[in-house]
Amino acid sequence: EVVLTQSPGTLSLSPGERATLSCRASQSGFSTYLAWYQQKPGQAPRLLISGASSRATGIPDRFSGSGSGTDFTLTISRLEPEDFAVYYCQQYGLSPLTFGGGTKVEIK
Amino acid sequence: QVQLVESGGGVVQPGRSLRLSCTATGFSFNTYGMHWVRQAPGKGLEWVAVISYDGTNDNYAESVRGRFRISRDNAQNTLYLQMASLRPEDTAVYYCAKAGRILVTASPVFFDYWGLGTLVTVSS
Repeated sequence: EVVLTQSPGTLSLSPGERATLSCRASQSGFSTYLAWYQQKPGQAPRLLISGASSRATGIPDRFSGSGSGTDFTLTISRLEPEDFAVYYCQQYGLSPLTFGGGTKVEIK
Repeated sequence: QVQLVESGGGVVQPGRSLRLSCTATGFSFNTYGMHWVRQAPGKGLEWVAVISYDGTNDNYAESVRGRFRISRDNAQNTLYLQMASLRPEDTAVYYCAKAGRILVTASPVFFDYWGLGTLVTVSS
């Protein structure tokens, strides 16, 4: 199965700063079938990005996704207070679908 | 609006069984594949199972294959997960999740809506 490794494990930043989150796959072959989710404590994950770069409905344009092959990136251009959360990547091009271990974005 | 509401979680002894339910509203339930995803306390997300829109195809994670069974009742807009031979490592919040695309098979997909989850604790 495809193993997704997210880095860093924790990102300590201040509101207004730029966040760059990485998701690296153990193999290619799933095209750009990659999604990103945000999860806050006690809440279900929320879809941010699908198809590596397509924002979901209602997601602010400060969130952007990029990448192909085995390297993908989620960028938050300017962190808002509500953006501090855990972020997961997921590939859905190969079975079984798999998730990365998550990156926690915390307030510095 | 789309709502997914899970129920049926609780504390169960190792080796016992439990059935989870997920009631869906706000979309054409019989058009979309549905999934179960779990999250152990303090851990990441793990996909568990999928069922196609019409219930004719399903697939499971290796960790639960042969012990869990996913099913659906399209007349009742309800998704189920029958869990048997439960182990302590099955302890998790179980989420039902709606496929983000219409697919004819139980293929991998992203999830555009999730329920709030139901906690299953396997402990003696």
